[in-house]
Amino acid sequence: EAGVAQSPRYKIIEKRQSVAFWCNPISGHATLYWYQQILGQGPKLLIQFQNNGVVDDSQLPKDRFSAERLKGVDSTLKIQPAKLEDSAVYLCASSRGTSGVSYNEQFFGPGTRLTVL
Amino acid sequence: GENVEQHPSTLSVQEGDSAVIKCTYSDSASNYFPWYKQELGKGPQLIIDIRSNVGEKKDQRIAVTLNKTAKHFSLHITETQPEDSAVYFCAASPSGSARQLTFGSGTQLTVLP
Repeated sequence: EAGVAQSPRYKIIEKRQSVAFWCNPISGHATLYWYQQILGQGPKLLIQFQNNGVVDDSQLPKDRFSAERLKGVDSTLKIQPAKLEDSAVYLCASSRGTSGVSYNEQFFGPGTRLTVL
Repeated sequence: GENVEQHPSTLSVQEGDSAVIKCTYSDSASNYFPWYKQELGKGPQLIIDIRSNVGEKKDQRIAVTLNKTAKHFSLHITETQPEDSAVYFCAASPSGSARQLTFGSGTQLTVLP
């Protein structure tokens, strides 16, 4: 079974530029998460999708961040314009999202390391 | 919302010794507690998890204990090996349809040969 795929692996941009990250979850996984991991910290949830609908985006800075999962499979996360403090690793994770199950293991991709200069 | 605190932030042990990492959580509704291992340049990988109806779970050299009354849980690694060196994260998740994870700040474990 293929894991969660992310691209690009690394990105360097200047502040005020825009950037987009792509995620392909494990086949059949209904739930997709985007996390921001600042150096030395644990992952922090930005947005959660169930199929192509948003479950929670309360911690997404909506003035500059946007995300979509149009067909309920792949997802993109965009930052426009980027700030210095956006430098971090952006992790995508997926889970089966099976209803009636009290927990779902989340599988993480390798992440995209973003550096904003 | 949930708040998870993790200690220590760094831990060095001699190969063959045991390592213990501790976490506390704030939300009594949390009932799922996974532990993730993150190696350099990779995403976190689940190594063990425990649910609130269980007090202890063991998988070979790794064990996790949970004290719901005190709201803390711990990871125990015995007979440590150099390949155990990594950053370890605890997390907590409440019940419900969202099942979101709140992570601790991580522990850098170094196993010295």
